Amino acid sequence: NAGVTQTPKFQVLKTGQSMTLQCAQDMNHEYMSWYRQDPGMGLRLIHYSVGAGITDQGEVPNGYNVSRSTTEDFPLRLLSAAPSQTSVYFCASSRDRDGYGYTFGSGTRLTVV
Amino acid sequence: KNQVEQSPQSLIILEGKNCTLQCNYTVSPFSNLRWYKQDTGRGPVSLTIMTFSENTKSNGRYTATLDADTKQSSLHITASQLSDSASYICVVSSFSAGKSTFGDGTTLTVKP
Repeated sequence: NAGVTQTPKFQVLKTGQSMTLQCAQDMNHEYMSWYRQDPGMGLRLIHYSVGAGITDQGEVPNGYNVSRSTTEDFPLRLLSAAPSQTSVYFCASSRDRDGYGYTFGSGTRLTVV
Repeated sequence: KNQVEQSPQSLIILEGKNCTLQCNYTVSPFSNLRWYKQDTGRGPVSLTIMTFSENTKSNGRYTATLDADTKQSSLHITASQLSDSASYICVVSSFSAGKSTFGDGTTLTVKP
């Protein structure tokens, strides 16, 4: 049981480039979400999904897109990378929005130069 | 504005000692409060989850308390170990508001 798998673990992008951060879970969780964590700051919600085909914006959605075509996968797309998007990105899933069984991935460290 | 405030920001203790971390929140309406442990370079790992009716929840040497009236929670770590060195994050959820609010965390360093 792998839990929540994020790829890549590290990425360097040039300003203006686009890329997709991958997130997959094998626990059949309905609820998935993406966070970013900046140094000295708490985790901030980017986008979330309550089930396949349903996504919604979180606290800091600008510059990011998501889709949820399957229960297992929840990719995060950076449309045109900016230095302000340099951060550590975490994907998380839970059985439901109560947060029980809430599991985080190990993170993707993204640097935009 | 819904907020979660954690204190202290950082804490250094000697191995074997106990410590208590604080979390005060203004999130309303309240659904649940969770404590996470985040090791450096890793994702957060859930320690406890408490709903309105629960005022104590334990997970090994970790004991969380909740006072929903005063909107305060604490995480008590007993007989600390070097492996307890990490950031501890308090998260308060409000389902009707459709969001979870994360505190900035307390960085705990346990020294031998």
